[in-house]
Amino acid sequence: AQSVTQPDIHITVSEGASLELRCNYSYGATPYLFWYVQSPGQGLQLLLKYFSGDTLVQGIKGFEAEFKRSQSSFNLRKPSVHWSDAAEYFCAVGAQGSSYGKLTFGQGTILTVHP
Amino acid sequence: DVKVTQSSRYLVKRTGEKVFLECVQDMDHENMFWYRQDPGLGLRLIYFSYDVKMKEKGDIPEGYSVSREKKERFSLILESASTNQTSMYLCASSLYSYAGANVLTFGAGSRLTVL
Repeated sequence: AQSVTQPDIHITVSEGASLELRCNYSYGATPYLFWYVQSPGQGLQLLLKYFSGDTLVQGIKGFEAEFKRSQSSFNLRKPSVHWSDAAEYFCAVGAQGSSYGKLTFGQGTILTVHP
Repeated sequence: DVKVTQSSRYLVKRTGEKVFLECVQDMDHENMFWYRQDPGLGLRLIYFSYDVKMKEKGDIPEGYSVSREKKERFSLILESASTNQTSMYLCASSLYSYAGANVLTFGAGSRLTVL
């Protein structure tokens, strides 16, 4: 069975600082990987996804993530954080060959941005 | 854009009541999902459906059932609500993909409180 671990429950950064959110997955083959963001009181919005090809993936709002097979990781990065990035971030993994499309999510990382 | 609508944003119910959470998507997606979101636990899959009248248990189906009589509508049912079912419930949908997992589009969520 697939699983996802987000080691950091809560991260605080200053506005303008760089950001890296960690995600480690467990899956027996090449996974499909996703990052979602949830603003307060909202549903989840897709930031970016990795299915195949280039291991550095660009997403919306200036985010990027890098798939590292050797480390079973898919960390999310942003060079300069804005106050509006304060939210909860979820990493998710999905299986190849599954026609049902279900995803397994990590525990989430809450990002606080100080002015 | 796909829109996933959860009809009730906030509900307060009493222990033992039967509760219906409704979800409708407007883009002809084959797959629909119900997740439960709790702080520190991330999103956990309750049930999913890959076609009308077809359903599969997720990771935490106990105490829940689902119904999918029409392609666009997926209902989550709590036959006898209990206080430990107080939570945020998120509905999602996705297109069928023969290759594997696909992007989920989420509704805004239904926050259920059971007293």
